[in-house]
Amino acid sequence: NAGVTQTPKFQVLKTGQSMTLQCAQDMNHEYMSWYRQDPGMGLRLIHYSVGAGITDQGEVPNGYNVSRSTTEDFPLRLLSAAPSQTSVYFCASSYGVGYRKSSTDTQYFGPGTRLTVL
Amino acid sequence: AQTVTQSQPEMSVQEAETVTLSCTYDTSESDYYLFWYKQPPSRQMILVIRQEAYKQQNATENRFSVNFQKAAKSFSLKISDSQLGDAAMYFCAYRRGNQFYFGTGTSLTVIP
Repeated sequence: NAGVTQTPKFQVLKTGQSMTLQCAQDMNHEYMSWYRQDPGMGLRLIHYSVGAGITDQGEVPNGYNVSRSTTEDFPLRLLSAAPSQTSVYFCASSYGVGYRKSSTDTQYFGPGTRLTVL
Repeated sequence: AQTVTQSQPEMSVQEAETVTLSCTYDTSESDYYLFWYKQPPSRQMILVIRQEAYKQQNATENRFSVNFQKAAKSFSLKISDSQLGDAAMYFCAYRRGNQFYFGTGTSLTVIP
């Protein structure tokens, strides 16, 4: 049971390049999400998904695309990287919303990807 | 507008002593969830404790406990018998439906 995995761990891009950050989970979680973490700003939600084929925007979605073709995978795409997207990116997953069991609303996080855009 | 506020950017505690980290949040909902996460230098986000708003009883996990004041919209974390391994950044988080909101974090230093 690997939990939530993210690749790569580190990435350096030039302005205008595109790339995909990969995220996978093996816990059969319905809910998956992407965050960015910037100094002094905590974690901010970029996009989330409540199941295969269903995605929605979070607090800071501009410049990022997502898709969810399977329950396990939730990639984050940067179509044209900008220096403002330099950050640490976290993927997280949990069971669905609305269940009143103690473990179901807890998010489990991947190890993060440090992205630098020059 | 900031939904979750952590007003203490940095805190320190002597080993074996007790420390309380503050968190306030803004909501008009009655049903929500609150969390404290720990982020050590490894960068991994680790769940410390969670609280359902509909439960009156404060959550406890070993040396970690919360003081949940729903009317005051306050959710503080108490760490008892602090250990060197507790040194980390601590984030308070609020879940409303499908969206999570995090505070800006409190950096905790444990002094030997």
